Amino acid sequence: EDQVTQSPEALRLQEGESSSLNCSYTVSGLRGLFWYRQDPGKGPEFLFTLYSAGEEKEKERLKATLTKKESFLHITAPKPEDSATYLCAPGGGAGSYQLTFGKGTKLSVIP
Amino acid sequence: EAGVAQSPRYKIIEKRQSVAFWCNPISGHATLYWYQQILGQGPKLLIQFQNNGVVDDSQLPKDRFSAERLKGVDSTLKIQPAKLEDSAVYLCARAPRLAKNIQYFGAGTRLSVL
Repeated sequence: EDQVTQSPEALRLQEGESSSLNCSYTVSGLRGLFWYRQDPGKGPEFLFTLYSAGEEKEKERLKATLTKKESFLHITAPKPEDSATYLCAPGGGAGSYQLTFGKGTKLSVIP
Repeated sequence: EAGVAQSPRYKIIEKRQSVAFWCNPISGHATLYWYQQILGQGPKLLIQFQNNGVVDDSQLPKDRFSAERLKGVDSTLKIQPAKLEDSAVYLCARAPRLAKNIQYFGAGTRLSVL
């Protein structure tokens, strides 16, 4: 059975205080590891896709990395507008092109 | 939002009533998904369509949930009868033909069952 675990569940950071979010997974037939951002009252917003161990992608203050069993989302010098829930989702599944979402990490950045 | 229109945004019903949600992937993409997101959880896939056909509905509670996609564009998700545990946000997502593994989500419909 596919499993996705994100940690921590919640994270409070001071503005400018860098940190990392973790996503560990066991998925058969992995087709990419996806990161999404979700703001309250909105649908998830696509951030990154990683396909192979060692791959890295960056967007503004965010950098995502991938190993065989984990992915990390590094946040460098965060700003209050980075506050959101970050969802990790390995892709694959019986129907192909399916996502199995973790519960997410709720990030709060305090000014 | 992200080229996916959903309505209504909010719905409050009593248990055992029926409810329907509507999704229009504005760009008319071939692949469409419905998810259920319970408060504090990640989205959970209910059903995946490819054009008019169902690719996977293994997690759809078929005794009370049904979904259809008309002419490969709009889709409706229905719950009949609703239970308290159906309270959640129902999200619709589209995937473009050339990047099938990237899903773009609508804002969702928040359902409260009383």
